[in-house]
Amino acid sequence: QITLKESGPTLVKPTQTLTLTCSFSGFSLSTTGAAVGWIRQPPGEALEWLALIYWDDDKRYSPSLKTRLTITKDTSKNQVVLTLTNMDPVDTATYFCAHGGVSGLDNWGQGTLVTVSS
Amino acid sequence: IQLTQSPSFLSASVGDRVTITCRASQGISTYLAWYQQQPGKAPRLLIYAASSLQNGVSSRFSGSGSATEFTLTISSLQPEDSATYYCQQLKSFPLTFGGGTKVEIK
Repeated sequence: QITLKESGPTLVKPTQTLTLTCSFSGFSLSTTGAAVGWIRQPPGEALEWLALIYWDDDKRYSPSLKTRLTITKDTSKNQVVLTLTNMDPVDTATYFCAHGGVSGLDNWGQGTLVTVSS
Repeated sequence: IQLTQSPSFLSASVGDRVTITCRASQGISTYLAWYQQQPGKAPRLLIYAASSLQNGVSSRFSGSGSATEFTLTISSLQPEDSATYYCQQLKSFPLTFGGGTKVEIK
């Protein structure tokens, strides 16, 4: 059974860096084909794809956020970390991590709401 | 690649057949997935590869289409189907989502 869970701050100030951790079980990110992605959803709005990291450390980013995003993995800890620099109130959203690949995101974490406010 | 869903909102009765459309700005073959998101919950994968039913998903959900036009059909709407539905293309990065279709039960 695959499970994922996001953790990190619920409140960050403008200009700060957000660091979120996705802790997972039920699969290994060292297995060929495995991938973990991050998606966010501002309150009342649609889903926005952010980033994806593959088992071979290939990384892909949303072009609109590429200069601010970094995704990394720690295979030994079964964790994926997302950092987003220079936070702004428009980055207020629920952030999800999910397992998947070319067939879609088949298992999602519960999400974590991050509010950006001074 | 941009995805346009229609309608953005629909209201239907229990037992109705419901169809949601997703149009891609360029051809994506069958690299399309559909998700259901109930209020306050994470999205759930319903359909992958445009028409393949994810394990554990009710057979009243079905998907079809290729290239630029896709549909998600609920054959007989049930109360628990009240949710927002999203399509996502997996042909090329960034892996964009559609704007969503909110389904309300009358």
